[in-house]
Amino acid sequence: QVQLQESGPGLVKPSETLSLTCSVSGGSISTYYWTWIRQPPGKGLEWIGYVYYSGNTNYNPSLKSRVTISVDTSKNQFSLKLSSVTAADTAMYYCARRVATNPRYAFDIWGQGSMVTVSS
Amino acid sequence: AIQMTQSPSSLSASVGDRVTITCRASQGIRNDLGWYQQKPGKAPKALIYGASRLESGVPSRFSGSGSGTDFTLTISSLQPEDFATYYCLQDFDYPLTFGGGTKVEIK
Repeated sequence: QVQLQESGPGLVKPSETLSLTCSVSGGSISTYYWTWIRQPPGKGLEWIGYVYYSGNTNYNPSLKSRVTISVDTSKNQFSLKLSSVTAADTAMYYCARRVATNPRYAFDIWGQGSMVTVSS
Repeated sequence: AIQMTQSPSSLSASVGDRVTITCRASQGIRNDLGWYQQKPGKAPKALIYGASRLESGVPSRFSGSGSGTDFTLTISSLQPEDFATYYCLQDFDYPLTFGGGTKVEIK
């Protein structure tokens, strides 16, 4: 079965760039919308954006100026970069697969999450 | 962005109780709504899509209803493994937005 695994630094300094990678195993990254979602400690979920396997992207306007999501189909991976981070970006970052085949629209597979703390 | 308002933010219930959680959208979203369950330290899990369609493997005690702006998630008979936080998600328009969550605790 398809599994997702996030990887990347757990600590990032303020003003620097947060970088995470999600590795997809057990299936191809082709088709589906590959998504990043975050959750600050003790708070709710925020959709960051997605990359389609073709490379098309869509970002949350609240983060759009700082976010880049990309896909590497040869490695079956997709990545998140968030620039100019502050303490407000401290969160658990999840990668997830979004199914978007009418009528089923859902985040059906999630990674375990990667905790990123922004601190000097 | 479409705002999703969940209520209550938390509730206490006993095993066997019927539990209802509501989610209201700031504008009509047809039936483009999903429900997710999150247990402590775990990633969310999809329960329902299209407002009322159960994901494969989800127990039938979970049900969803609603259309337009008002939606409900019902657990017909609460089980010990159902104590968790539940989130609604609108996927009618981007940016996709979640409700604030409802924490279901043991009474």
